[in-house]
Amino acid sequence: NAGVTQTPKFRVLKTGQSMTLLCAQDMNHEYMYWYRQDPGMGLRLIHYSVGEGTTAKGEVPDGYNVSRLKKQNFLLGLESAAPSQTSVYFCASTGANVLTFGAGSRLTVL
Amino acid sequence: AQSVTQLDSQVPVFEEAPVELRCNYSSSVSVYLFWYVQYPNQGLQLLLKYLSGSTLVKGINGFEAEFNKSQTSFHLRKPSVHISDTAEYFCAVSDNYGQNFVFGPGTRLSVLP
Repeated sequence: NAGVTQTPKFRVLKTGQSMTLLCAQDMNHEYMYWYRQDPGMGLRLIHYSVGEGTTAKGEVPDGYNVSRLKKQNFLLGLESAAPSQTSVYFCASTGANVLTFGAGSRLTVL
Repeated sequence: AQSVTQLDSQVPVFEEAPVELRCNYSSSVSVYLFWYVQYPNQGLQLLLKYLSGSTLVKGINGFEAEFNKSQTSFHLRKPSVHISDTAEYFCAVSDNYGQNFVFGPGTRLSVLP
């Protein structure tokens, strides 16, 4: 049982490039989330999904898009990366009122 | 809206000493409360949770926390810490549907030999 898996684990981008982070969960959870973690700021919610085919904005959605075409997958896209998007990104899903996190994806935008 | 305050950004403590990490929250609705731990270069893992029932909650690795509704607090305690407890600890709240999670800024616990 892998839980929540994120790919890639590390990525370096140049300003203006695009990329997609993939999150996959095998726990049949309905709710999935994307957070970013920055020093001293805890975790901030970017977007979330309450089920296949649905997405909603979180606290810091600007510059990101998401898609939930399949229940087990939640994709986070950056269309035109900016240095302010340098961060560690965490995917999570909810089951039994508890968040289960992936290992994180460290993104650097130069 | 909910919010979480962790007053101590860093807590150094000697090995085998007791530790308390403070968490206060504000919410206009009933909440669930959580502590997560993040070891270096890893994701967050659940340490313990309060959903209902006894206000004293025991978690993994010898940690426990007490929910105090009147003081809107959920402080984390361990009677004797180990070097391996060095990590960042996050307090979080959610509404009692288990959604709308809000995290505190984290407390970095450093256990010194």
